[in-house]
Amino acid sequence: AAGVIQSPRHLIKEKRETATLKCYPIPRHDTVYWYQQGPGQDPQFLISFYEKMQSDKGSIPDRFSAQQFSDYHSELNMSSLELGDSALYFCASSPPGTVLISGNTIYFGEGSWLTVV
Amino acid sequence: GQQLNQSPQSMFIQEGEDVSMNCTSSSIFNTWLWYKQEPGEGPVLLIALYKAGELTSNGRLTAQFGITRKDSFLNISASIPSDVGIYFCAGASQGAQKLVFGQGTRLTINP
Repeated sequence: AAGVIQSPRHLIKEKRETATLKCYPIPRHDTVYWYQQGPGQDPQFLISFYEKMQSDKGSIPDRFSAQQFSDYHSELNMSSLELGDSALYFCASSPPGTVLISGNTIYFGEGSWLTVV
Repeated sequence: GQQLNQSPQSMFIQEGEDVSMNCTSSSIFNTWLWYKQEPGEGPVLLIALYKAGELTSNGRLTAQFGITRKDSFLNISASIPSDVGIYFCAGASQGAQKLVFGQGTRLTINP
């Protein structure tokens, strides 16, 4: 079965540069979530989109922005990168319907490793 | 904001032993999920719980949604080497569009 696809898997950037991460949800999933996981940390929610509109916002820095496109894929744009932005960035998706009600759950991609040097 | 406290943070056990970990929340959750994460990989869903008191099994794994809706536990019976990894609980309140994660339990198994 198709899973959540993230690209690139690995990315190395210098401080103050810009990075873009892409996420392709499971087919027919309309909600996308972005999480950031620092070394040894639990995943922290950044932002989510439902039907191309932002649905919830977590601890996403102002330097970061994201959007969901008409084909439901999403992109996370990170500017003015800092060393502390080095982390594993996960995208997850969930199917239509009230999220997290029985039968609807969230599936994660394999993550994109961002290293800022 | 919502917080989940997961314990223990790490476990070192012998192969064949049973494992138990739990999560508690400061607020009521309507959904509890348990994920396993291996190094450099995304969390993989193990068990999903949607109803207070629900007890669900997935092979050697059993999880329960606490009656108070503020806690959940995961048990692994007869552990094997491939159970090694970090186990995360995650929860969501009614209508929420995001999951809140626990801090994770790192499981190490000595053969």
